[in-house]
Amino acid sequence: KAGVTQTPRYLIKTRGQQVTLSCSPISGHRSVSWYQQTPGQGLQFLFEYFSETQRNKGNFPGRFSGRQFSNSRSEMNVSTLELGDSALYLCASSFRGGDTGELFFGEGSRLTVL
Amino acid sequence: GESVGLHLPTLSVQEGDNSIINCAYSNSASDYFIWYKQESGKGPQFIIDIRSNMDKRQGQRVTVLLNKTVKHLSLQIAATQPGDSAVYFCAENRPARQLTFGSGTQLTVLP
Repeated sequence: KAGVTQTPRYLIKTRGQQVTLSCSPISGHRSVSWYQQTPGQGLQFLFEYFSETQRNKGNFPGRFSGRQFSNSRSEMNVSTLELGDSALYLCASSFRGGDTGELFFGEGSRLTVL
Repeated sequence: GESVGLHLPTLSVQEGDNSIINCAYSNSASDYFIWYKQESGKGPQFIIDIRSNMDKRQGQRVTVLLNKTVKHLSLQIAATQPGDSAVYFCAENRPARQLTFGSGTQLTVLP
C-alpha cells in the first residue's frame, strides 16, 4: 500500500508570493491533517479535513488555507508569503482522524521563502 | 503554553543498551498520549500510544509508561540499535482532533 505522498518536496518562493502544496493520503483514509515544522516552534497543527470538510483549525493566520477533494486528496495554500513561513509542511492521513493518534505522515514539502 | 514537553533535547546511548526518553505534561485532563519517531529527512512515524486508563503498554522492543500522579510518561527502547537514531516526540490528542507535540529528543546511538 502506497504511503502519503506530498508534492512538491522542495520549493523556493519569494516574499509576497503564494504557494500551493499537495497531499495524496493513503488509499481509504478519509482524514487529512497538515502540520508545520520549524526549528523554533516545532510541530504545529494547521488544520484537519474529513470528507471534504474542515473539522479543526490551528492557530495560524488566515493566509493559511486548505481544502480536500472528493478523492480525499488535499491541498494547502499560503498566500502573501513571509520569511517566517519557511518550514517543512507535513501532511498526515488516517482512516477516521479524530480519536486516533496514529497518523501516517508524508515526507513533507520543504518551503523556503526568500 | 505548551502542554507536553520533553526533558532532554539530546540523549546518547551505546548500541545494545536500553534507552529511556522522558516527557512531562501539564494538563491533568490529558488522557491520550502518543510517541512518534522522526528520522532525518522523513516525516514522523507512529511508535506506540497509551490511554490514561493504562499505566504501561508494550510494543516491539518499546514500552511506554504513564505516571498520572506526576504527569510523566516515558518511552523505553530495549537493546537500542543504530536504526533507532532519530528525534522522538511525545504528543497528546488535545485539543480534540489534533496532535500537540512536545519539543523532541534527539537520540544518538553510539557504536
